[in-house]
Amino acid sequence: EAGVAQSPRYKIIEKRQSVAFWCNPISGHATLYWYQQILGQGPKLLIQFQNNGVVDDSQLPKDRFSAERLKGVDSTLKIQPAKLEDSAVYLCASSLATGYNEQFFGPGTRLTVL
Amino acid sequence: QQQVKQSPQSLIVQKGGISIINCAYENTAFDYFPWYQQFPGKGPALLIAIRPDVSEKKEGRFTISFNKSAKQFSLHIMDSQPGDSATYFCAASKENNFNKFYFGSGTKLNVKP
Repeated sequence: EAGVAQSPRYKIIEKRQSVAFWCNPISGHATLYWYQQILGQGPKLLIQFQNNGVVDDSQLPKDRFSAERLKGVDSTLKIQPAKLEDSAVYLCASSLATGYNEQFFGPGTRLTVL
Repeated sequence: QQQVKQSPQSLIVQKGGISIINCAYENTAFDYFPWYQQFPGKGPALLIAIRPDVSEKKEGRFTISFNKSAKQFSLHIMDSQPGDSATYFCAASKENNFNKFYFGSGTKLNVKP
């Protein structure tokens, strides 16, 4: 079974530039998550989709971050404009549905904002 | 407000020793407690999980101990091996909350040969 795919794996940008990350969840997984993991910290949920609807985006900085999940499969997370403090690893995860379900994580995208 | 507090931040253990990582939570509505293991450059992967209807769960060398009254749970790694060197995260979630996980801050384990 293929895991969660993410691209790119690494990205370096200047502050105020824009960047986008892509995630392809495990086939059949209805729930998709985007996390931000700052160095030395645990993952922090940014946004959660159930199929193509948002169920939680309470910690998403909506003035600069946006995410979409078209057709309930792939998802993109965008930052515009980026700030220095956005430097982190952005993890995508998916799970079968809600309830007690394991979240499967992708390898992440390491973003460096200079 | 940090929902799940994890300690220690780092841990060094000799090969064959026992590694113990502790977590505490405040929200009594939490009812699912997974532990994730993360190697450098990889995403976290589920190691073991427990629900509060049991006080202990064991899978191989890994054991979760759960104390509902104290709102604490811990991960014990018996016979620790160098291959166990990784960062460990505890997490908590509650039913009917769309499987939202609250992660601890992580413990970096180094098992010395």
